[in-house]
Formats: sequence, structure tokens, C-alpha cells
Amino acid sequence: SQTIHQWPATLVQPVGSPLSLECTVEGTSNPNLYWYRQAAGRGLQLLFYSVGIGQISSEVPQNLSASRPQDRQFILSSKKLLLSDSGFYLCAVTYRVLQRYTFGSGTRLTVV
Amino acid sequence: GENVEQHPSTLSVQEGDSAVIKCTYSDSASNYFPWYKQELGKGPQLIIDIRSNVGEKKDQRIAVTLNKTAKHFSLHITETQPEDSAVYFCAASINAGNMLTFGGGTRLMVKP
Repeated sequence: SQTIHQWPATLVQPVGSPLSLECTVEGTSNPNLYWYRQAAGRGLQLLFYSVGIGQISSEVPQNLSASRPQDRQFILSSKKLLLSDSGFYLCAVTYRVLQRYTFGSGTRLTVV
Repeated sequence: GENVEQHPSTLSVQEGDSAVIKCTYSDSASNYFPWYKQELGKGPQLIIDIRSNVGEKKDQRIAVTLNKTAKHFSLHITETQPEDSAVYFCAASINAGNMLTFGGGTRLMVKP
């Protein structure tokens, strides 16, 4: 089974401050990991995905970056937050054989 | 790449009525179609999924149908209850381990 931990649950940050959101998963090694963003009342926007340590693919150009320092750890970062970075950030994991996504509980980020 | 369209964007029904959400996909190679339910402030949770070798799948009050020829699939919820109120997302993917392409979501409101 897949267990995914995402923190913090909520975060309020001033414009221009840095950001670090962490996601860790338990279970089978070598998962695919994803970061999604969801604006209020909107759909799921894929930001980054990773198929292995150090392998990051970006789906949209933006103020954010991602890293995968360990097999089951995925980090979303920003050097300087913008107001437009506000949203609900979700980490997800899937395994190549199962295909089933499991989402984390999300981080509500408000940039003020 | 794959494109998934979801309709309607909002759906309001009376408690006890049925609700139907429809999705179309563009890539005939897609073979996996999950549905997710997202409650307010939480991450999406898988509620049912279907693979291309099956035309219909049921789980209590929830059913999903797939028409490969027309490239569309639908979620059916019978005897709706207030706790069914949430945002529902359909998705599609090609082959094991490929990332999901999500529809835009449907906000379902069940009125008591």
C-alpha cells in the first residue's frame, strides 16, 4: 500500500519569502512522484513530476522548482514567492505497475 | 498528448436522485480511467476505476461505464446523499506507470 506524508498543512508567507514544501512516501521503492497545484475552485495543474532521484520534469514555466534528493522524498521550493503562487499544493505518488495515484492531504499556501 | 474533457462543471441534485458526470478523452491508446472525489480542503481520493477491457464496473451506489468506440466514460451515483457533495475528477492514462491526465472537475451539490 502507499502512504504519503505532506507538510505543512497550511502556510501563510509574505511576498518575496522562500518556500519549501516536503512530501515523503512509504512503500515500494522507485515511485513516480508529482506536484500539483489547485487554485480555488479550479482543476489540478501538474507542476512537476519525477521518475527517479534527481530526475525532474517541469510542466509549466513558473516561479517554482522541485527536487528529489532521496527515492521517496519530493520537495517543492521557491526562492521568492509571488501572490500568484497562492493555492492548494498536492503531492501524488504512483507506481509503474499499479497506475493508481495516491494523493497527499495537501498544503494550503497563502501568499500575503 | 491526451486531453480529457469533463461535463458538467457543476451539478446540483436533490437527495435521493441520481447524478451522472461525463468525460471524453482524445487518445484511443488510453487504457485506464479512474475517478477521484475531493472533499473541501482535502486531497483527492480514488473512488472507482476501470480498465479498457471492461465496459462497466459497480461499487455499491457508484458505477462507471466506458465506451471505447466513442472515447467517453461516465460516473453514475445513485441514491445521492449529502455526503456525496464534493468535487469529482475523471482521468485517463496510457499504459502502466504513465501519468494521469485529469478532467477539469465537477462540483456536485446534493441538496437535502
